[in-house]
Amino acid sequence: QQPVQSPQAVILREGEDAVINCSSSKALYSVHWYRQKHGEAPVFLMILLKGGEQKGHDKISASFNEKKQQSSLYLTASQLSYSGTYFCGTELINSGGSNYKLTFGKGTLLTVNP
Amino acid sequence: DTAVSQTPKYLVTQMGNDKSIKCEQNLGHDTMYWYKQDSKKFLKIMFSYNNKELIINETVPNRFSPKSPDKAHLNLHINSLELGDSAVYFCASSLRTRTDTQYFGPGTRLTVL
Repeated sequence: QQPVQSPQAVILREGEDAVINCSSSKALYSVHWYRQKHGEAPVFLMILLKGGEQKGHDKISASFNEKKQQSSLYLTASQLSYSGTYFCGTELINSGGSNYKLTFGKGTLLTVNP
Repeated sequence: DTAVSQTPKYLVTQMGNDKSIKCEQNLGHDTMYWYKQDSKKFLKIMFSYNNKELIINETVPNRFSPKSPDKAHLNLHINSLELGDSAVYFCASSLRTRTDTQYFGPGTRLTVL
């Protein structure tokens, strides 16, 4: 049930763009994106619900392809502050009772260099 | 004001000991969680409580026992600590159980020697 994230790691220069992908083998109700900096707690970025929506947050946006059970996080014109590990968390569509939970991928380590 | 707080921040102890981690949230949320993040940064849910009721109990050894005295608090007690318990433990909270932002505490780094 754990979603698969790719790539595992990416190194950018400031100003470059990146895409992080998250895919599931199960039908999803929602996809959540979090960023965790070294030694800190994960911080919420955005939630995408089934229905195939796209969201934006400054220069970070995401899409959710319901048919493919895939979500992508787009980081545009990256800044040094974007460095960290990005996690997607997925919530299954057929969840009830104990299935109300987020299952996180293994994370994508993003490094932005000057 | 700190939204989700945990104590202690660091915990170093010997194998076989019993220890507790405390979590408090002042966001008025109904749901609280415990996550374990291992050395490979894998973030896995352990327990979830909604209005003091246990709703998620993943395949966690029964040496781990959560307790929620009220909606704002969720504690984690660990008996007979083992080397493999070394990890960062995060508490989190959300307004509802489903499709809601989770706010994470700063984490407790547990090291078992």
